[in-house]
Amino acid sequence: TQLLEQSPQFLSIQEGENLTVYCNSSSVFSSLQWYRQEPGEGPVLLVTVVTGGEVKKLKRLTFQFGDARKDSSLHITAAQPGDTGLYLCAGYNRKLIWGLGTSLAVNP
Amino acid sequence: KAGVTQTPRYLIKTRGQQVTLSCSPISGHRSVSWYQQTPGQGLQFLFEYFSETQRNKGNFPGRFSGRQFSNSRSEMNVSTLELGDSALYLCASSLGFGKFSYEQYFGPGTRLTVT
Repeated sequence: TQLLEQSPQFLSIQEGENLTVYCNSSSVFSSLQWYRQEPGEGPVLLVTVVTGGEVKKLKRLTFQFGDARKDSSLHITAAQPGDTGLYLCAGYNRKLIWGLGTSLAVNP
Repeated sequence: KAGVTQTPRYLIKTRGQQVTLSCSPISGHRSVSWYQQTPGQGLQFLFEYFSETQRNKGNFPGRFSGRQFSNSRSEMNVSTLELGDSALYLCASSLGFGKFSYEQYFGPGTRLTVT
């Protein structure tokens, strides 16, 4: 059974702090996606990474795909209250495997 | 381009009843997937339809069924509702073919409460 573990499960920080969330698996994925979900809404796709070692930046968000394509990380610099939400990763290997998510709260 | 729309947004049903949820995908997307989201279980895949055919199916009982129409719109039906079916039901559309065909574009969801 393919599993994606996300850590930490919950994170509460102050505005301006940096943070990193992780997505780990023992399985190899051909690509991995990150989504953000705000309360009462559906998840929104942030990025897809496909190459081992790939790094993608989206403003203050930096996404990295592990060299072996088994893990990924999301780093947020100078977090803002608007970053609050549930961050989900999903690995693709003939089907999508979803992590349980990291719930992030950024306090002003 | 209009996003994925789901109707209704909120629904309250009684145990034993049945419910039908509707989803309209992004124009040009031929794949529609349905998910159940609960705080404890996270996002659970129900099924995927592509060109009116069920292409993938998750581990849910037969009470959960779906269909897709020729215009790619999809419906999901749950019969004989149980209390444990209370959840946010999300529909996601994707191209369904080609590179990055699996990138999901979600609707706002239908919040189903079973009493």
